[in-house]
Amino acid sequence: ETGVTQTPRHLVMGMTNKKSLKCEQHLGHNAMYWYKQSAKKPLELMFVYSLEERVENNSVPSRFSPECPNSSHLFLHLHTLQPEDSALYLCASSPARLNNEQFFGPGTRLTVL
Amino acid sequence: GENVEQHPSTLSVQEGDSAVIKCTYSDSASNYFPWYKQELGKGPQLIIDIRSNVGEKKDQRIAVTLNKTAKHFSLHITETQPEDSAVYFCAANRNSGGSNYKLTFGKGTLLTVNP
Repeated sequence: ETGVTQTPRHLVMGMTNKKSLKCEQHLGHNAMYWYKQSAKKPLELMFVYSLEERVENNSVPSRFSPECPNSSHLFLHLHTLQPEDSALYLCASSPARLNNEQFFGPGTRLTVL
Repeated sequence: GENVEQHPSTLSVQEGDSAVIKCTYSDSASNYFPWYKQELGKGPQLIIDIRSNVGEKKDQRIAVTLNKTAKHFSLHITETQPEDSAVYFCAANRNSGGSNYKLTFGKGTLLTVNP
């Protein structure tokens, strides 16, 4: 297991629910990421935070809302999701702006009914 | 933007044989190339990476080679073991200061090592 933890590990939700995914990194890194991993597709970068400032937002639908209260914690708030949003959501962190070695958490397996 | 192609999508080898996975990239400015291993139920784990100022890097049974001219890089695993079975991803990134956060990933290779 890496120094990046994610909770919950599994989540089943209806389309009208509101839930949040949590990520915590214990590595002292300054950048954190949310990725979506679907079957047969490359990892899709969703959001990037550097020193708690969002620096990248890859045209993700507004039903996904990230929050980074400090450099160790990252949340992904979910509301009114669609079944096609079912996927593995991965959090990652990297040391600094010019060092992009990314370390991943175990992911949250999300199923939207 | 960057585009990374990875081949093969599946690879089956006998224990003890070598395995090679190849990736090509499109952005000649990319200068950082990591490889990740993802086991079932886990997140991707960085296993080796290479930067564009070197052509080859080794770590025990794994090695990565980079051909900047041809814009391709490869992962080599020797003396494969059943625990090497996993999905392997290549990625490329341009660490150039500005928006250097984006790792572009290949689609992955499912490696199966048969005992």
